[in-house]
Amino acid sequence: AQSVTQLGSHVSVSEGALVLLRCNYSSSVPPYLFWYVQYPNQGLQLLLKYTSAATLVKGINGFEAEFKKSETSFHLTKPSAHMSDAAEYFCAVTNTGNQFYFGTGTSLTVIP
Amino acid sequence: ETGVTQSPTHLIKTRGQQVTLRCSSQSGHNTVSWYQQALGQGPQFIFQYYREEENGRGNFPPRFSGLQFPNYSSELNVNALELDDSALYLCASSLPGTGANEQFFGPGTRLTVL
Repeated sequence: AQSVTQLGSHVSVSEGALVLLRCNYSSSVPPYLFWYVQYPNQGLQLLLKYTSAATLVKGINGFEAEFKKSETSFHLTKPSAHMSDAAEYFCAVTNTGNQFYFGTGTSLTVIP
Repeated sequence: ETGVTQSPTHLIKTRGQQVTLRCSSQSGHNTVSWYQQALGQGPQFIFQYYREEENGRGNFPPRFSGLQFPNYSSELNVNALELDDSALYLCASSLPGTGANEQFFGPGTRLTVL
């Protein structure tokens, strides 16, 4: 069985501060991991994905995530938050591609 | 390149009615997945279609059914609507194969059941 857990349903950071959104996964086989962002009243947009190549993955808009097998984690980071980063962020896992499991999401607020 | 589109954008139904939601996949994608996203929750996998056949199903009752057409567009049908079916329904298309292929999402259909 596969699942993801996102710690912290709400995260607030000041503009220019480090963004850290946490995701831990559970999978019996090597997983593929994804981070998606969702703006109000919109669908999900892919930020980045881990596909067993490099463990440090760089995505769009300055985001990156590091796959740590020993910690079963795939945390999302951005060195400097921007107001436009305020959104809902979802971590997802799959191993076959025919069923994706999403976390419950983390709402990011950026304080000016 | 056309992205994933869904129709309608909003829909209001009453309990017990039936609803059909539609999705056009991104050009070149022959795999379509449907998700239910309740308010404040993450998307929950309903099912996936590949080349007109169901290719995986989540923990949803049989009153949730789907179709995929030869042009890879898809429908989600829900019978005997319940209040808890109120949610944002998301469609995602992808290329087949390994899980390395990300899913591209449409904007969703907001269903309200009264």
